[in-house]
Amino acid sequence: SQQGEEDPQALSIQEGENATMNCSYKTSINNLQWYRQNSGRGLVHLILIRSNEREKHSGRLRVTLDTSKKSSSLLITASRAADTASYFCATVNRGAAGNKLTFGGGTRVLVKP
Amino acid sequence: DTEVTQTPKHLVMGMTNKKSLKCEQHMGHRAMYWYKQKAKKPPELMFVYSYEKLSINESVPSRFSPECPNSSLLNLHLHALQPEDSALYLCASSQLDLGFSYNEQFFGPGTRLTVL
Repeated sequence: SQQGEEDPQALSIQEGENATMNCSYKTSINNLQWYRQNSGRGLVHLILIRSNEREKHSGRLRVTLDTSKKSSSLLITASRAADTASYFCATVNRGAAGNKLTFGGGTRVLVKP
Repeated sequence: DTEVTQTPKHLVMGMTNKKSLKCEQHMGHRAMYWYKQKAKKPPELMFVYSYEKLSINESVPSRFSPECPNSSLLNLHLHALQPEDSALYLCASSQLDLGFSYNEQFFGPGTRLTVL
């Protein structure tokens, strides 16, 4: 079952603009991860943020985590057409058995050239 | 080699057929996963293997039968599937330490399965 929701479900922006998407979750987590999926392909890991971290950067990506609000955001700066993809947050829940990821519903991002 | 490979890329099968999906990784990962993904939906976990032993089965119907012959290979045997089982089947792997540290997962490109 899905851990939470992503907002917005779809996003259309011009190349060069920033894209922001949000993820909410319901239970205490060990960490939260963001993945990208190009149409009909496998997922690619983007960034992992642990429950004791508040912000993390990787290249043009910035992720924040607010455990008090059970929410995270992913910011892609200076977007490119190649950033067109679906973006999923995924949580590893505290106390969960094994190495189990639970995915949010995803945000479909379209970057127009 | 940081790649997870899956074969076949596409598979069409009838409801009475038996087929297998294959997944391979050479990153030394000791956790391997099967996910099912329907169009415009997130991946749904089916099975987790840890150290070649089945550690999680998400109440998957018995017409799906996983197998982990060794630490590099993961199979999913399919038998008597239903049309609603048509989906993208994704394999993934990750590191796994003794504390079950929760690491990133590496995904294969998937097998697009169509059940007629």
